[in-house]
Amino acid sequence: RKEVEQDPGPFNVPEGATVAFNCTYSNSASQSFFWYRQDCRKEPKLLMSVYSSGNEDGRFTAQLNRASQYISLLIRDSKLSDSATYLCVVNPFNAGNMLTFGGGTRLMVKP
Amino acid sequence: DVKVTQSSRYLVKRTGEKVFLECVQDMDHENMFWYRQDPGLGLRLIYFSYDVKMKEKGDIPEGYSVSREKKERFSLILESASTNQTSMYLCASSLGHSTGTEAFFGQGTRLTVV
Repeated sequence: RKEVEQDPGPFNVPEGATVAFNCTYSNSASQSFFWYRQDCRKEPKLLMSVYSSGNEDGRFTAQLNRASQYISLLIRDSKLSDSATYLCVVNPFNAGNMLTFGGGTRLMVKP
Repeated sequence: DVKVTQSSRYLVKRTGEKVFLECVQDMDHENMFWYRQDPGLGLRLIYFSYDVKMKEKGDIPEGYSVSREKKERFSLILESASTNQTSMYLCASSLGHSTGTEAFFGQGTRLTVV
């Protein structure tokens, strides 16, 4: 079983739609969680951290469910520029900063 | 702005060659990482380093070694390149030893072994 699992997609949605991605992780001792965004042929970049209480940044909302060991990303009012691969990232250890990446979910927003 | 620079964007090497991939960061980060990214497999950690001369194996270290002689530089070495090492290689760095700090990536090196 992979440590971090995501649906690879692609998710094809029209502009303005709301779309949600889930990600499950296997290590219950995991301490920190993130969503990274990767554009085609570019390096991954941090989109947002995921806090236990949930957090929102504009059109993006991230939530953590420790009991079920999953994190989610909700994108409201999708824009064409949101088209990218979204990587779920987990730090499985309680010391150090070694990140484990999911395989990514590809989002295509169409006009 | 943090900058992580990888020495080459594209590289073509022959089977059996020794290959060096260089990565330099300019923000005095303690942690540095080498990942490879393949379609359908995502990013997989090869090695990471949390301090000068310190290194830890990641998930797929076989066929690779690393060197960190200076804090800002982390080198990935393919001792004898093979075609199954054709991939996109990504270097990253992050601050400190606590959890929750952002990792910054270089632009990637697309290596083809022929």
